Amino acid sequence: QVQLQESGPGLVKPSETLSLTCTVSGGSISDYYWNWIRQPPGKGLEWIGYIFYSGSSNYNPSLRSRVTISFDTSKKQFSLKLTSVTAADTAVYYCASVRNNWFDPWGQGALVTVSS
Amino acid sequence: QSVLTQPPSASGTPGQRVTISCSGSSSNIGTNAVNWYQQLPGTAPKLLIYTNNQRPSGVPDRFSASKSGTSASLAISGLQSEDEADYYCATWDDSLNGPVFGGGTKLTVL
Repeated sequence: QVQLQESGPGLVKPSETLSLTCTVSGGSISDYYWNWIRQPPGKGLEWIGYIFYSGSSNYNPSLRSRVTISFDTSKKQFSLKLTSVTAADTAVYYCASVRNNWFDPWGQGALVTVSS
Repeated sequence: QSVLTQPPSASGTPGQRVTISCSGSSSNIGTNAVNWYQQLPGTAPKLLIYTNNQRPSGVPDRFSASKSGTSASLAISGLQSEDEADYYCATWDDSLNGPVFGGGTKLTVL
C-alpha cells in the first residue's frame, strides 16, 4: 500500500522558488503517475502536474512556465519546484499517486506561505 | 473559475438524501470517467467514488454516483453528521490534456 509524505519549507519569499519533496513508501514506483495538487486557503483543488518514474511529465498549462517536477528513483522521492512565487501561490500542496485514472492515495499536505 | 461546475453548497438533515451535481463538457465528462473526492475538515481529500459509480472498499453504500452525457452527480442517502465535508468531482480533460476538478461543494448537515 502506497503512502506519501510531503516535506519542505513552510515559508517562501516572493519571487523566490518553492521547493517540496514527496517521499513514497510501499508500492512499486513504476506502477504510478506521481502528482502534485494544490489548494489555496478556503478554495478548491488545482492540479499542478505529474511525472512518471521514467521521467516523462505533464504540467498544468497555467503553471507550465514556472513548474518542474522531478523524480529520484534511488530515494523514492519526487519533487516540485515552482519559480517566481507570489502570494497567489500560498496553498496547501498535496502529492498524490495515480494508477488507474484517479488520485489515490494523497499525502497529508504541506502548507506553504509566500510572504516576505 | 473551475473547468467543472459544482454548486458551492448543499445541505440536509440527518437521514435525508442529498445530491451534488457536476457539470462539464464534451472534452471532459462527455468522454472520460468521473471520480469523486471527500475532504473532511482539516484533512486531505480522499477517494470516494471512481470510474463514475464505483466505491472503493470501506466507502459505505450510502454513497452513490452516476454520469450522463456531460454531467455527473453524487448522491448521499441516510445523511449522517460525519458526512459534513467538501466534495469534489474530477475527470480528465482532453483539451487541456490533464485532470480537472470541480470547484467543490460544501455539504452541511443541519
